[in-house]
Amino acid sequence: GAVVSQHPSWVICKSGTSVKIECRSLDFQATTMFWYRQFPKQSLMLMATSNEGSKATYEQGVEKDKFLINHASLTLSTLTVTSAHPEDSSFYICSASWAGQETQYFGPGTRLLVL
Amino acid sequence: GENVEQHPSTLSVQEGDSAVIKCTYSDSASNYFPWYKQELGKRPQLIIDIRSNVGEKKDQRIAVTLNKTAKHFSLHITETQPEDSAVYFCAAAYGNNRLAFGKGNQVVVIP
Repeated sequence: GAVVSQHPSWVICKSGTSVKIECRSLDFQATTMFWYRQFPKQSLMLMATSNEGSKATYEQGVEKDKFLINHASLTLSTLTVTSAHPEDSSFYICSASWAGQETQYFGPGTRLLVL
Repeated sequence: GENVEQHPSTLSVQEGDSAVIKCTYSDSASNYFPWYKQELGKRPQLIIDIRSNVGEKKDQRIAVTLNKTAKHFSLHITETQPEDSAVYFCAAAYGNNRLAFGKGNQVVVIP
């Protein structure tokens, strides 16, 4: 149980384009989803927290207009990297949890390479 | 916010020996501490967690201890095997069930 999927698993795009990443909870209703970014050999850095039906809460230093997050249903959250630049190249990982649950279950991640 | 420190950054052990990773946290209000294992290029996987109402938890070869007074917690892996080689992250929960992660520890089990 508690399976989280992400799509796509990797993407290569040109600088200036937008990329959408989907995060789905497959066997539970995820009231909260989290988006992280992980650079090579570094830790997971929380970007934002999204609750179903509400606006996402962004961590300090994360541009909300650049990283658009939508959590329209209890099983799907999307992260859109707008006008991507090479410095946005990273491993983006989502996690999900349900109401009253502290444990976060992670998706497999999306590797983004911006040329 | 919460600040989690993790050390050592790398740890090499002989197969069959024990490995210990230590973490400290700053927010005394934190009450949930998970440990994740991440293999190269893969998702972090929860291996064990502990809540502040207990001091120790064990699951087969893995155990976690928590000292709330000192604000530190440790992961213990006994009888290490090559498949235990990975990066291990400790984390502490804070505000609205967010997790603050340590920097990670690369564990290498030498056959």
